[in-house]
Amino acid sequence: AQSVTQPDIHITVSEGASLELRCNYSYGATPYLFWYVQSPGQGLQLLLKYFSGDTLVQGIKGFEAEFKRSQSSFNLRKPSVHWSDAAEYFCAVGPYNTDKLIFGTGTRLQVFP
Amino acid sequence: NAGVTQTPKFRVLKTGQSMTLLCAQDMNHEYMYWYRQDPGMGLRLIHYSVGEGTTAKGEVPDGYNVSRLKKQNFLLGLESAAPSQTSVYFCASSPAGNSYEQYFGPGTRLTVT
Repeated sequence: AQSVTQPDIHITVSEGASLELRCNYSYGATPYLFWYVQSPGQGLQLLLKYFSGDTLVQGIKGFEAEFKRSQSSFNLRKPSVHWSDAAEYFCAVGPYNTDKLIFGTGTRLQVFP
Repeated sequence: NAGVTQTPKFRVLKTGQSMTLLCAQDMNHEYMYWYRQDPGMGLRLIHYSVGEGTTAKGEVPDGYNVSRLKKQNFLLGLESAAPSQTSVYFCASSPAGNSYEQYFGPGTRLTVT
């Protein structure tokens, strides 16, 4: 079945530590891939996206993500987390030949000083 | 430039009551979407529209109706509200299909008692 999996429901890191949020998808062909961030009480904002080409993509706020075809993964990373990064992060996939995005269940990031 | 706006921000309904949520965008986007967000379930697509006068069902359409009479507006209706429809509702718009960024509104928190 087609799916998007974010295995970590909740992650806690210290400010300044590195971060990796996991995302795996299950589709027949590589879909369009996105990461969105949602601050408390807000709508979602796009961090970055991958369509093709270079498998390491850069986004806003110092985030990057790496597409690994062999693992069907699109993990989000940040070298040094800031307290303002505390939010919920959603991976989303856009299957080819559809008009829709399928969202993962989200990972809530908590940052300790 | 307001982007995507949603009206109202909060609403409490009694079971069986009806209401309409309004989404408006000023970016001249063709595509518009309605999602619901529930804890631990991410965002799930209710209905969407690929242009003025068109609508299509998403993942969880039952109990909802939509209309897109004007390009800039997308209305979500609940004809007979049920407690299971207690959720946060997000509207989004994009220039075209699922390879494009979706721009989200701030959400409407609906409680059905």
